[in-house]
Amino acid sequence: GQNIDQPTEMTATEGAIVQINCTYQTSGFNGLFWYQQHAGEAPTFLSYNVLDGLEEKGRFSSFLSRSKGYSYLLLKELQMKDSASYLCAVPQADKLIFGTGTRLQVFP
Amino acid sequence: DSGVTQTPKHLITATGQRVTLRCSPRSGDLSVYWYQQSLDQGLQFLIQYYNGEERAKGNILERFSAQQFPDLHSELNLSSLELGDSALYFCASSRGTSGSGDEQYFGPGTRLTVT
Repeated sequence: GQNIDQPTEMTATEGAIVQINCTYQTSGFNGLFWYQQHAGEAPTFLSYNVLDGLEEKGRFSSFLSRSKGYSYLLLKELQMKDSASYLCAVPQADKLIFGTGTRLQVFP
Repeated sequence: DSGVTQTPKHLITATGQRVTLRCSPRSGDLSVYWYQQSLDQGLQFLIQYYNGEERAKGNILERFSAQQFPDLHSELNLSSLELGDSALYFCASSRGTSGSGDEQYFGPGTRLTVT
């Protein structure tokens, strides 16, 4: 089975950098997804990592270490609109298993 | 706009009733997934269909059932509703399956309130 751990809540200041960690235990690894979800809205896809290393996409970057079962999402130049939940997810066979998410609050 | 549509947006019904939620995937997507998200809870996977066939099942109650039709739209049926079934129900679709690295695109969700 899969076990995914993320911090429940984080806070940060506008303009700052924040790193959201995700650790996972899986019987077989086939990549890791990050999604953003604003309260009451649908999750939206942010990134997919299948190889070790950092992938940068504008203000957001995602890192993966398969040997450590660890990933992080890095958000730079934080904006108020980045206040949302960030969900880490790993495939299990054909489906996706989501972590409980990290609620990020950005303050001015 | 993800291209995934869900109807209705909101649904208010009484305990013991039955409802049907509908989902149309993005054009060309063969997989449809259903999730339940209760207040301040994570996304709970319910069931997945691929090209009309059930592919994976999560913690879906026996009172719930789903199907995917030949035109690839899907319906989630919830019966004998209880207060605890009040939640946001999301549908998502993907080209292939998540196991092959395909990201899922989520619909706007149906907010179900059972009174």
